[in-house]
Amino acid sequence: EDKVVQSPLSLVVHEGDTVTLNCSYEVTNFRSLLWYKQEKKAPTFLFMLTSSGIEKKSGRLSSILDKKELFSILNITATQTGDSAIYLCAVRRGYQKVTFGTGTKLQVIP
Amino acid sequence: EPEVTQTPSHQVTQMGQEVILRCVPISNHLYFYWYRQILGQKVEFLVSFYNNEISEKSEIFDDQFSVERPDGSNFTLKIRSTKLEDSAMYFCASSGGVMGQNQPQHFGDGTRLSIL
Repeated sequence: EDKVVQSPLSLVVHEGDTVTLNCSYEVTNFRSLLWYKQEKKAPTFLFMLTSSGIEKKSGRLSSILDKKELFSILNITATQTGDSAIYLCAVRRGYQKVTFGTGTKLQVIP
Repeated sequence: EPEVTQTPSHQVTQMGQEVILRCVPISNHLYFYWYRQILGQKVEFLVSFYNNEISEKSEIFDDQFSVERPDGSNFTLKIRSTKLEDSAMYFCASSGGVMGQNQPQHFGDGTRLSIL
C-alpha cells in the first residue's frame, strides 16, 4: 500500500521565521512528488518534483526531492501570515493515482 | 487563469438518495479525477478518467459510484444510494495536454456533501 507521511503535523511560528516541512514516502512505480497548499478549499499547486537533488524555487518557497532516501522537504523563508495553511505532500504512482499525506498545518503569527 | 469549477458548492441529501456532483475541468485538459476529503482527514483518490473511460480507481470507488463525461465540458460523479459515511468534501481535478498524465493536477473548490 502506498504511504505518504508528513511531519510535523502542525507548526506555529512567528512572522519572519524559516520553516521546513517534511514528507517521506513509500510507493511503487514512483513518478513524481507534488506539494500543494490548502487554505480554505481547493489544494493549490506549488511544486512538482521528479528528479533527485534539483531544487525547485518560487519566491520564498523551495523544495527538493531525495529519491534514494524517499523524502522531500518544503522550505518557506521569511514566513508571513498569508503562509498560514495546510501543506499537502502527494506522490504519483504510475500515470494516474495520487496519494496524499495528512498534511502539515502551519500557523504564522504576527 | 483557467480554473476547474464545481457545482454545487454544498449539497444536502437524505440518506439513500442519489446525488450527482458536477465539474467543468480546464478546457484543454485531458485527464480528470475525483477525490474526497472527509472532515479532518486526508485527501483520498477516488478515480481517474481519460479518453472516455476510467483509467484507475481506488478501493473506495465501488459500485455505488460512477463517473461520466456527458458532453465536451462536464465531468460528473454520481453516488447512488448515499450513506452517512459519504459525507465529505469532493474535489474534482484535471491535468492537461498530451503528457498530462504527469502534469500537476489542478483542483476545483470542491462540493461539500452532507448526508442526513
